[in-house]
Amino acid sequence: GAGVSQSPSNKVTEKGKDVELRCDPISGHTALYWYRQSLGQGLEFLIYFQGNSAPDKSGLPSDRFSAERTGGSVSTLTIQRTQQEDSAVYLCASSLETRGRVGYTFGSGTRLTVV
Amino acid sequence: RKEVEQDPGPFNVPEGATVAFNCTYSNSASQSFFWYRQDCRKEPKLLMSVYSSGNEDGRFTAQLNRASQYISLLIRDSKLSDSATYLCVVNADSWGKLQFGAGTQVVVTP
Repeated sequence: GAGVSQSPSNKVTEKGKDVELRCDPISGHTALYWYRQSLGQGLEFLIYFQGNSAPDKSGLPSDRFSAERTGGSVSTLTIQRTQQEDSAVYLCASSLETRGRVGYTFGSGTRLTVV
Repeated sequence: RKEVEQDPGPFNVPEGATVAFNCTYSNSASQSFFWYRQDCRKEPKLLMSVYSSGNEDGRFTAQLNRASQYISLLIRDSKLSDSATYLCVVNADSWGKLQFGAGTQVVVTP
């Protein structure tokens, strides 16, 4: 597609429920990244996928968070047993080049609210 | 110490004036540097890459000082539409992970 597409754009869920967030990167981009941004805060790295290599999961805050990327394209971020502190905007980005020499293109994010 | 540090501001700038701000980074091995712009409740968008020799894109000038480990952004002839948060971004490893600063808020006033 023309840009990075994320769905849903907004999600309100009850504490304790599981949620799935989807990211469809720019076609041909080999690197895909998930960040989250809490209100008024900076971007917090979660996980990234680059090509066929094992993903870097070092930013996932707990084992309730997981992500996968199928067929080197679409990625889903799953949060199990959501907590109120999980409320944030979850941003996905993709990049054509995998060594950080070009910037990312971000999707418009999923705003997650846990009530 | 944060890996990328920025003055949060806000920098209140009269329309037409020049504003400049810096960011410092801790990883001396970093090779790639960027400035992103983020509008309120929007996603970050790439403003410009920062090259060793310094570079200019219209009214925006970016500089890199490797010895002191900082990068700077200068905005000339500020427009109202320049009001945003400017994020300093540095590569965190050799595989593409980028580290974002918390941002510097710029408010351009009429």
